[in-house]
Amino acid sequence: GAGVSQSPSNKVTEKGKDVELRCDPISGHTALYWYRQSLGQGLEFLIYFQGNSAPDKSGLPSDRFSAERTGGSVSTLTIQRTQQEDSAVYLCASRGGQRGEQFFGPGTRLTVL
Amino acid sequence: GQNIDQPTEMTATEGAIVQINCTYQTSGFNGLFWYQQHAGEAPTFLSYNVLDGLEEKGRFSSFLSRSKGYSYLLLKELQMKDSASYLCAVRAPGYQGGKLIFGQGTELSVKP
Repeated sequence: GAGVSQSPSNKVTEKGKDVELRCDPISGHTALYWYRQSLGQGLEFLIYFQGNSAPDKSGLPSDRFSAERTGGSVSTLTIQRTQQEDSAVYLCASRGGQRGEQFFGPGTRLTVL
Repeated sequence: GQNIDQPTEMTATEGAIVQINCTYQTSGFNGLFWYQQHAGEAPTFLSYNVLDGLEEKGRFSSFLSRSKGYSYLLLKELQMKDSASYLCAVRAPGYQGGKLIFGQGTELSVKP
């Protein structure tokens, strides 16, 4: 596809379970970002990957959150031992374009019961 | 610290002009972006400013004053489909990977 894709689109889980969220960036984009958008809040930066460089993990809220990017393309965000406050929409973006704008995927809506 | 402020909500009439303001105080600056986000959808890119002044693109214009830490998005000839959330975001300097720091967004309602 031409855009950023994410799966699943919706995920409902029980408190304490682990979840994995997937992102497929636009082909050829080397930079990939994860953001979180809680209800009524702005987007919050989580983590950033650029090529083979070490990822910028400065936005991860706790050590329950981790992410990896395999082969410089697909990325997986993992949340261990989910808590109710983890409920949010998780957005992935890849960077391209003349101005280096970020293109966002449709997001994964995570609900922790 | 990082702080980006926008009004929470605005209402305007179809066919009118609306200006959405954004002020920022960030530890670095490498450009300012405006995104549009319809409910339940991904944010989509609207405009980009890195130098002072006005950038115009069709019905949308964006202005930047770096010395004042201020930007606005101007929407002309409002249409009902312009009802959405408008997100102001500052890009961190390159050594921080270009991550975007977002304001909380302005929910715009366009009334007939």
